[in-house]
Amino acid sequence: EVQLVESGGGLIQPGGSLRLSCAASGFIVSNNYMSWVRQAPGKGLEWVSVIYSGDSTYYADSVKGRFTISRDNSKNTLYLQMSSLRVEDTAVYYCTRGRLGSSSGYYFDYWGQGTLVTVSS
Amino acid sequence: SYVLTQPPSVSVAPGKTARITCGGDNIGSKSVHWYQQKSGQAPVLVIYSDGDRPSGVPERFSGSNSGSTATLTISRVEAGDEADYYCQVWDSSRDHIIFGGGTKLTAL
Repeated sequence: EVQLVESGGGLIQPGGSLRLSCAASGFIVSNNYMSWVRQAPGKGLEWVSVIYSGDSTYYADSVKGRFTISRDNSKNTLYLQMSSLRVEDTAVYYCTRGRLGSSSGYYFDYWGQGTLVTVSS
Repeated sequence: SYVLTQPPSVSVAPGKTARITCGGDNIGSKSVHWYQQKSGQAPVLVIYSDGDRPSGVPERFSGSNSGSTATLTISRVEAGDEADYYCQVWDSSRDHIIFGGGTKLTAL
């Protein structure tokens, strides 16, 4: 059974750093397209970052240069290192597994339960 | 950057058909995916690749995509279908994922 369990969220002051973790089970993280998606309170979904099985990474413009996605193959875990945090980064952060559709285009077939990051002084 | 436009809300009587649209420039050339998010829960995939259903999703959920509009259709709407629905595409030119703003479905 595929499971994604996020951890590491909490209250952090603006300008601070935080690392989110996503422990996966039921599949191998390094063989998959893995992403972070966030949702600010009362708002819609916003894609944050992706890491391909081949190690390529991409970021939303809103977090580029501040966030880093990575994985630990030995722990089958995905990470999101967040630095220079801003109030507008406050959100629930979801870990997701991606799949390539039949007519191209990735989608997310599994989501974690999410971890809340609150950036506030 | 690519933009997906959804109506903020759709209301339908139970037992009737709900149609939630997702507009985008030549979206018919892209693969569109849909997620259902109930209050306080993580999103769940309900339609992928325009019109395919994951295992466990009722046949009442269907999707189509042509021209500048993709549509999620929910037949015989039930109270349990009340949720926010999001469309999503992959912007291959930038390797970015794009979500629509979401539509709140209410069963009157």
